[in-house]
Amino acid sequence: AQKVTQAQTEISVVEKEDVTLDCVYETRDTTYYLFWYKQPPSGELVFLIRRNSFDEQNEISGRYSWNFQKSTSSFNFTITASQVVDSAVYFCALRPNTGGFKTIFGAGTRLFVKA
Amino acid sequence: EAGVVQSPRYKIIEKKQPVAFWCNPISGHNTLYWYRQNLGQGPELLIRYENEEAVDDSQLPKDRFSAERLKGVDSTLKIQPAELGDSAVYLCASSHSPRAFLMNTEAFFGQGTRLTVV
Repeated sequence: AQKVTQAQTEISVVEKEDVTLDCVYETRDTTYYLFWYKQPPSGELVFLIRRNSFDEQNEISGRYSWNFQKSTSSFNFTITASQVVDSAVYFCALRPNTGGFKTIFGAGTRLFVKA
Repeated sequence: EAGVVQSPRYKIIEKKQPVAFWCNPISGHNTLYWYRQNLGQGPELLIRYENEEAVDDSQLPKDRFSAERLKGVDSTLKIQPAELGDSAVYLCASSHSPRAFLMNTEAFFGQGTRLTVV
């Protein structure tokens, strides 16, 4: 079965705090992609990062960083020095390379950053 | 470069009425997706097109939902007749073909159409 679990429904932090959003996935495929998307109140899902299953290198982009660990089937997302503009719903997604390339989204984590 | 364009942004209809949504994907993207997003949940795929062909419509409730992508560019999603449970946000996305592994095949999303059935 293919599944993405985002156990944190809502997180609330104060501006400048660091915050980590958890993502755990399940798949029997050895070849797959993982994604993170941000959904601000405007409703559009904004692509943040793509990671393929062969690349376990962590990635940093400005205040954003991602930790991919195949051993624990996790792909966690950390925002450093959070800002009010980071307030949004964040989705983790899995796309196996079989089964019709269907992308499975987690339920999302709503992040509130207070000034 | 223009993103994925959807219209309308909002639609309120009475149950049993028909409704249609329109999507214009990013130029050059041969793959187009329609997703439904219920409140507090992640998007769920309804149908995926590669060019004009619907390659995955297993999640599309075919008794009342239909979709088309004539000429492999724009797409419409129709519901007839609408039911109360169809209230949701309908998202369109486009990408390069996911068959091209290790290329830039992430999906780009439009702003969605928020449907309310009363």
